[in-house]
Amino acid sequence: GQQLNQSPQSMFIQEGEDVSMNCTSSSIFNTWLWYKQDPGEGPVLLIALYKAGELTSNGRLTAQFGITRKDSFLNISASIPSDVGIYFCAGRILNFGNEKLTFGTGTRLTIIP
Amino acid sequence: NAGVTQTPKFQVLKTGQSMTLQCAQDMNHEYMSWYRQDPGMGLRLIHYSVGAGITDQGEVPNGYNVSRSTTEDFPLRLLSAAPSQTSVYFCAIRQGYEQYFGPGTRLTVT
Repeated sequence: GQQLNQSPQSMFIQEGEDVSMNCTSSSIFNTWLWYKQDPGEGPVLLIALYKAGELTSNGRLTAQFGITRKDSFLNISASIPSDVGIYFCAGRILNFGNEKLTFGTGTRLTIIP
Repeated sequence: NAGVTQTPKFQVLKTGQSMTLQCAQDMNHEYMSWYRQDPGMGLRLIHYSVGAGITDQGEVPNGYNVSRSTTEDFPLRLLSAAPSQTSVYFCAIRQGYEQYFGPGTRLTVT
């Protein structure tokens, strides 16, 4: 099955740094979703994007729906320890009434003391 | 977790055993789904349901059965567990265009 290309796979940053990650696909999506997963927990939805070019913020998080509809970006500003976790993108396509959600392989964020 | 509960949280099975992973929601969501999460693979869709009495296969359905006799419950059955089914399983509901996940069941098959 199709997987989204999510990069980087992992990031090691210091507290206070800004973070950027992205997802790219060869397919067009109708919706982009960004999730965060803490150890032992299910993914939690952070931001949903519905239109090409859309830029949406949720606190220190900002995500954009690429204008080609084949990519999306997530930025985290001024990282704090609770930002540690795995971030997943997901692209949604609705085709003839059937919905398909495809997930990226995740970006693991670690904050170095 | 958007009102999605999953039981058990952890399970160890021997090869060939069967078991049912439970998923329940109390928000009357029509769309429910099951995913498995493996290292380096992201989440992959196993089965989904758009309402009571309606189920369909996802990307990786082999070895799993589902049924949806009520809106609230969407159990996932492993008929004869295999080591390849060692994974973390997530149930999800859909609200609008957004999916929300339960806390997961970590399954080990030895």
